Amino acid sequence: DVVMTQTPLSLSVTPGQPASISCKSSQSLLYTNGRTFLYWYVLKTGRSPQLLIYEVSKRFSGAPERFSGSGSGTDFTLTISRVEAEDVGLYYCMQSTHLPITFGPGTTVDL
Amino acid sequence: EVHLVESGGGLVRPGGSLRLSCEASGFTFSSYWMTWVRQAPGRGLEWVANIKEDETEKNYADPVRGRFTISRDNAKNSLYLQMNSLRAEDSAIYYCARYVRAFDYWGRGTLVTVSS
Repeated sequence: DVVMTQTPLSLSVTPGQPASISCKSSQSLLYTNGRTFLYWYVLKTGRSPQLLIYEVSKRFSGAPERFSGSGSGTDFTLTISRVEAEDVGLYYCMQSTHLPITFGPGTTVDL
Repeated sequence: EVHLVESGGGLVRPGGSLRLSCEASGFTFSSYWMTWVRQAPGRGLEWVANIKEDETEKNYADPVRGRFTISRDNAKNSLYLQMNSLRAEDSAIYYCARYVRAFDYWGRGTLVTVSS
């Protein structure tokens, strides 16, 4: 199974400041068709998980522009350009290049 | 607007069975893979199973293979998860989601508690 690791596991942020989360996979997530199936989700209290970033760097519909993704192969990063109070939550990376689909352990972002 | 609503959760004894349902609306259900994902108390997200549009392909996570069965009824726009031989470690919120390699839309989840 592909093991996904995230650092840090907990992140205290200041509104208006940037923040980033690292995600590393135990195998390359580059698929044979040239696409990389790496995703970022946020889980907020009382809500269902929301897709933020798909295929490493593409912002999903409704995701704020302050969120961006980057990386390749086995190393990926989610960046919030200027944190807002509403960004508090649990952030997960996930891969679906290989079965079983696996998630990172999650990063708690709070103020 | 895509809408997914799970139901069927509840309290069940170890070794018991439960069937979860997910009713979909706002998109052509029969054209999409679907999936189940769970989150145990205090733990992260865990993929459980997914199913192809026409049920010709199903995949399961190792912890549930042989005990859980994913199925769908495209005429009813519904996804199901039959859970047998339930264990305490299966206790979790179970979410259904649309699968396009990403899980792009999720339901609100249904809580399953396995306890004696």
